[in-house]
Amino acid sequence: EPEVTQTPSHQVTQMGQEVILRCVPISNHLYFYWYRQILGQKVEFLVSFYNNEISEKSEIFDDQFSVERPDGSNFTLKIRSTKLEDSAMYFCASSVDGELFFGEGSRLTVL
Amino acid sequence: GESVGLHLPTLSVQEGDNSIINCAYSNSASDYFIWYKQESGKGPQFIIDIRSNMDKRQGQRVTVLLNKTVKHLSLQIAATQPGDSAVYFCAAINFNKFYFGSGTKLNVKP
Repeated sequence: EPEVTQTPSHQVTQMGQEVILRCVPISNHLYFYWYRQILGQKVEFLVSFYNNEISEKSEIFDDQFSVERPDGSNFTLKIRSTKLEDSAMYFCASSVDGELFFGEGSRLTVL
Repeated sequence: GESVGLHLPTLSVQEGDNSIINCAYSNSASDYFIWYKQESGKGPQFIIDIRSNMDKRQGQRVTVLLNKTVKHLSLQIAATQPGDSAVYFCAAINFNKFYFGSGTKLNVKP
């Protein structure tokens, strides 16, 4: 069964460092998303990506965040200068006809 | 926008009993709803969905009920099993944007 894969599963970084989280969406999907979930809280929308550009972003997705689809398969989330409050699970998701498929998540710990 | 809330943060049930998890949404333009199950340390998994032109949909051991009048959604799990222990949350979708509730943690007691 096709699935969304994410790497790394866990990353520990120092405050101020740059982090890149990687995702391989399901191959025939057209919409790509990043969400985050702070421990014990709800899943929050960060950004959606369609046709090689951002289609929507939330207020959380400020200038320190960026997304890229560098080739035909990867979809990356870059956090330029991490802050303590960026510590969370980051989920990538993709969809083709409405149903959202999530990856297993990348846990980011900022020290 | 949309605001999605769940009525109970935690629900404890006995193995074999039925579970009902509730969700409320605010935007009447939301036309598609999904229930997700999230086990500890894992990504959300799709359980069942329903479109706004329906009021009930059944899957294997799960039923989703949608009441558009009061903007309320529920997930019923029949004969709850220990493997059902997880956080369950709903998503309301409008214009291809997903709004998630915080989740209800279901504890199944053996």
